[in-house]
Amino acid sequence: QMTQSPSSLSASVGDRVTISCRASQNIDLFLNWYQQRPGKAPKVLIYAASTLQSGVPSRFSGSGSGTEFTLTIRNLQPEDIATYFCQQTYNFPQTFGLGTKVEVK
Amino acid sequence: QVQLQESGPGLVKPSETLSLTCTVSGGSFSSYYWTWIRQTPGQGLEWIGYIYYVGSTNSNPSLESRLTFSVDTSKTQFSLKLRSVTAADTAVYYCARGIAAPGKHWYFDLWGRGTLVTVSS
Repeated sequence: QMTQSPSSLSASVGDRVTISCRASQNIDLFLNWYQQRPGKAPKVLIYAASTLQSGVPSRFSGSGSGTEFTLTIRNLQPEDIATYFCQQTYNFPQTFGLGTKVEVK
Repeated sequence: QVQLQESGPGLVKPSETLSLTCTVSGGSFSSYYWTWIRQTPGQGLEWIGYIYYVGSTNSNPSLESRLTFSVDTSKTQFSLKLRSVTAADTAVYYCARGIAAPGKHWYFDLWGRGTLVTVSS
């Protein structure tokens, strides 16, 4: 089970935003982050806890291992308005967190 | 540019079978895990399962008894059938391309736009 926090946040353009994801068991580095803009399909940002997917801006970064993971957005941009999900791929069935909705002030 | 597109009825009656197809265009069909994921406002994203391009499958135990996956490599399509649906199966259904990166790190790098399926009489 994946627990994300906070469930929503509001930040200003240029801010640094941190989203947490906690796993109910040790999942090593088997953790992905996705961004879902309103009305769109999710898009992978980070896989294997910290590997940036090709084409994703470098202001996104991931860290953590075991049970505690973090997605950081540096220099928040208006286009970062979205819901962010973590996903564990350590075992099947793969499971997702319930999401963190990011709004820009 | 590889694209995925879901197709199928948007309305299914309770107790009937939900059938969806995902068409993959513009790229290779081989060596990927073709996956179904659904999303509801209350339950979030739920991994349904995948079919590998050669036909092996893996599915969510919560749905496994009602699921059938199939693949047609000649048409670069894969399909989902979910039997005996109820209102709880109402969701946006996505097809996605699953990659197993080095170290068996899975992720979904391409998604369809999603299709809303409503279960109602």
